[in-house]
Amino acid sequence: DAGVIQSPRHEVTEMGQEVTLRCKPISGHDYLFWYRQTMMRGLELLIYFNNNVPIDDSGMPEDRFSAKMPNASFSTLKIQPSEPRDSAVYFCASSGVGGYTFGSGTRLTVV
Amino acid sequence: EDKVVQSPLSLVVHEGDTVTLNCSYEVTNFRSLLWYKQEKKAPTFLFMLTSSGIEKKSGRLSSILDKKELFSILNITATQTGDSAIYLCAVVRGGSEKLVFGKGTKLTVNP
Repeated sequence: DAGVIQSPRHEVTEMGQEVTLRCKPISGHDYLFWYRQTMMRGLELLIYFNNNVPIDDSGMPEDRFSAKMPNASFSTLKIQPSEPRDSAVYFCASSGVGGYTFGSGTRLTVV
Repeated sequence: EDKVVQSPLSLVVHEGDTVTLNCSYEVTNFRSLLWYKQEKKAPTFLFMLTSSGIEKKSGRLSSILDKKELFSILNITATQTGDSAIYLCAVVRGGSEKLVFGKGTKLTVNP
């Protein structure tokens, strides 16, 4: 099992550009989570899905952020337009019977 | 609102020392508490605790939960430089799958 796969590993973009982060959960896991990690705020949950359906998006900071899960093996987190304060490491995680597993994260820098 | 507070925020010790990391929480309908170790990338799972007073142990690491006083501790004995990491505590409430994280304790073990 390759674990939770995120891409890209690093992203540097200019303010105002659209950014799309991608995640492939572990096969068979029915929950998928998007987290953001910063020095100031630690790990914060943005949104999570159960069986591809968004369950709780109360952590999504504002309308510039959106997330989709079109099928059980793929999810995206989109930021449009991006701002410097969005710079952080974004983690995807999935969970199922075997437990909770994090991907390696995407380090986003908005300049 | 669910809250997880970890202390200390950072800790510097010498190899061979024993350390105790603290995690206190306030959560509605507590279900479980988890400890993670984060080195350079994704958090990796250490322990899940659901019952008071039962120690979980893995090598030099151990953890225990006190549901009456709403806290948990993570002990590391005979620390090694490889134990240097951020240790994260998270709680899960019943009826939900989302983890609420503390800000972590940054442990540095010097040779």
